[in-house]
Amino acid sequence: GAGVSQSPRYKVAKRGQDVALRCDPISGHVSLFWYQQALGQGPEFLTYFQNEAQLDKSGLPSDRFFAERPEGSVSTLKIQRTQQEDSAVYLCASSLKPIGRDGYTFGSGTRLTVV
Amino acid sequence: AQSVTQLDSQVPVFEEAPVELRCNYSSSVSVYLFWYVQYPNQGLQLLLKYLSGSTLVKGINGFEAEFNKSQTSFHLRKPSVHISDTAEYFCAVSEYNAGKSTFGDGTTLTVKP
Repeated sequence: GAGVSQSPRYKVAKRGQDVALRCDPISGHVSLFWYQQALGQGPEFLTYFQNEAQLDKSGLPSDRFFAERPEGSVSTLKIQRTQQEDSAVYLCASSLKPIGRDGYTFGSGTRLTVV
Repeated sequence: AQSVTQLDSQVPVFEEAPVELRCNYSSSVSVYLFWYVQYPNQGLQLLLKYLSGSTLVKGINGFEAEFNKSQTSFHLRKPSVHISDTAEYFCAVSEYNAGKSTFGDGTTLTVKP
């Protein structure tokens, strides 16, 4: 597609509920990144894929967070047993080259509110 | 570990005035540097990047930034701003071969008529 597409745009979850956030990167982009952006702060790195391989997951805050990209295109970020501190905007970004050397193209994000 | 400090959380300026948004970083290795802009309810958009070579880089919308290795800075400048430049601006650093970027907390640029 023309840009990075994320869905849903907004998600309200009850505490303890599982959620799945989807990212459709630009076609042909090798690298895919997930970031978490809390209100008033810059994006914080969560995880990075090169094609289907998850090369870095050092930013995932707990084992409740899981990401996959099974065919090297669409990616899903799953959060189990959501908690209030998970409320944030989740940003997906993709890059044509490995490691995002040329910078990223970001999606518009999914705003997650846990109540 | 790398870090980014954006020295001003808010910068108000009048239309057609020059502006500088300041960014300092720390890293023990060589880095790539980026500036992104975020308009309300939109994703971040890449403004410009420094990879290597000339320390003065030009980006979209008339913005430019200068890499200063000795001062570990990468300040963003525009000689004359427009109302439409009102947005949040983020500086980011990425270590060679690291993949991930570290972002600053952003600077809100407000251009007043």
